[in-house]
Amino acid sequence: KQEVTQIPAALSVPEGENLVLNCSFTDSAIYNLQWFRQDPGKGLTSLLLIQSSQREQTSGRLNASLDKSSGRSTLYIAASQPGDSATYLCAVIGNKLVFGAGTILRVKS
Amino acid sequence: DTGVSQNPRHKITKRGQNVTFRCDPISEHNRLYWYRQTLGQGPEFLTYFQNEAQLEKSRLLSDRFSAERPKGSFSTLEIQRTEQGDSAMYLCASSSGGGGTGSEKLFFGSGTQLSVL
Repeated sequence: KQEVTQIPAALSVPEGENLVLNCSFTDSAIYNLQWFRQDPGKGLTSLLLIQSSQREQTSGRLNASLDKSSGRSTLYIAASQPGDSATYLCAVIGNKLVFGAGTILRVKS
Repeated sequence: DTGVSQNPRHKITKRGQNVTFRCDPISEHNRLYWYRQTLGQGPEFLTYFQNEAQLEKSRLLSDRFSAERPKGSFSTLEIQRTEQGDSAMYLCASSSGGGGTGSEKLFFGSGTQLSVL
């Protein structure tokens, strides 16, 4: 059974800092991995999708990496802004989409 | 708006009542998923459709839960005889799956927040 763990559970940083969110998974037989953002009481917004054959994806200030063999992914956020405050969820897609519990990020102005 | 639409946004009901939620996926998407999310947790898979066919159901989907996608477009999720433990955010997602499941990006709706009193 696939299990997805996200560390840290919560993170508070001052504006402008670069930060890294971590995601680990137990079963490396995945098709892809997707990072989402969720604002309080809202649905999920897709940020980046990394196919299993890829090592990383970039979108603006976001960079996601994938090391399938070690069962790890990281989401790097450069020059964080207060508007980045949200919960960040990673999901691995094998036979089904399995989510981690998320990292709650707060960027202080 | 051409995103995934869910109605209602919020539903408050008394224990024992039946509730029904609706999801309208992105129009060209053939796959539709239902998830449930409780506070502080990631979403948990409930069921998924390819067109009108329900291809997989989670063990979380007890016999009080039923989902349909009659014409391969919108979907409904009904919960009968609601219990307080059913209180959660119910999320719908869609994708344009061409290959095996998992190869495509999922797009989520804003969810329906259910509170069972």
